[in-house]
Amino acid sequence: NAGVTQTPKFQVLKTGQSMTLQCAQDMNHEYMSWYRQDPGMGLRLIHYSVGAGITDQGEVPNGYNVSRSTTEDFPLRLLSAAPSQTSVYFCASSPFFWGADGYTFGSGTRLTVV
Amino acid sequence: DQQVKQNSPSLSVQEGRISILNCDYTNSMFDYFLWYKKYPAEGPTFLISISSIKDKNEDGRFTVFLNKSAKHLSLHIVPSQPGDSAVYFCAASDLLYGGSQGNLIFGKGTKLSVKP
Repeated sequence: NAGVTQTPKFQVLKTGQSMTLQCAQDMNHEYMSWYRQDPGMGLRLIHYSVGAGITDQGEVPNGYNVSRSTTEDFPLRLLSAAPSQTSVYFCASSPFFWGADGYTFGSGTRLTVV
Repeated sequence: DQQVKQNSPSLSVQEGRISILNCDYTNSMFDYFLWYKKYPAEGPTFLISISSIKDKNEDGRFTVFLNKSAKHLSLHIVPSQPGDSAVYFCAASDLLYGGSQGNLIFGKGTKLSVKP
């Protein structure tokens, strides 16, 4: 089915380790973004991209890197994981002018940093 | 400085009754508002939206009302069903003005429980 695919679904990291959260969409959407969800904090924007080769920071970008080499993929990299990055991460995509339908979200990656 | 506020962390209603979820915003540049529903262990799914040129939008059992002067919107679910039990997020964007490139700003969510 068409949609946004996130891998892995669960991950446990040790402090200081690095990893990449994968996000892929097959809807030819220009816009992609990463949010994190923490208890009592809602969804906060980490990074976003309006097209291949273009990325920008959101509300909480520190500790994360992104790149967008293709329309389909938008990986999120943690270079040196910290316990404060324990969260549920959601990737989202939409057409550039998303109109009335908003974003399509993936099912999330639950990350625990110990 | 929270731009989108959902001041009720939880709401419990009886099946068949009306559920009213509220959302306030502070940024007068917001011109598009959306509601998302989220079940545990799933991503948020789009529910309904409204642009600032309207004050009401209906889709089946779901109606969103927008009061621009009060910077307030609400989601009405009538009648409520047990399957509506989920976390509901309000989101806003300055899509037309383009200040944030159309990024969605989310509230903290309201957990709705509909009891049979």
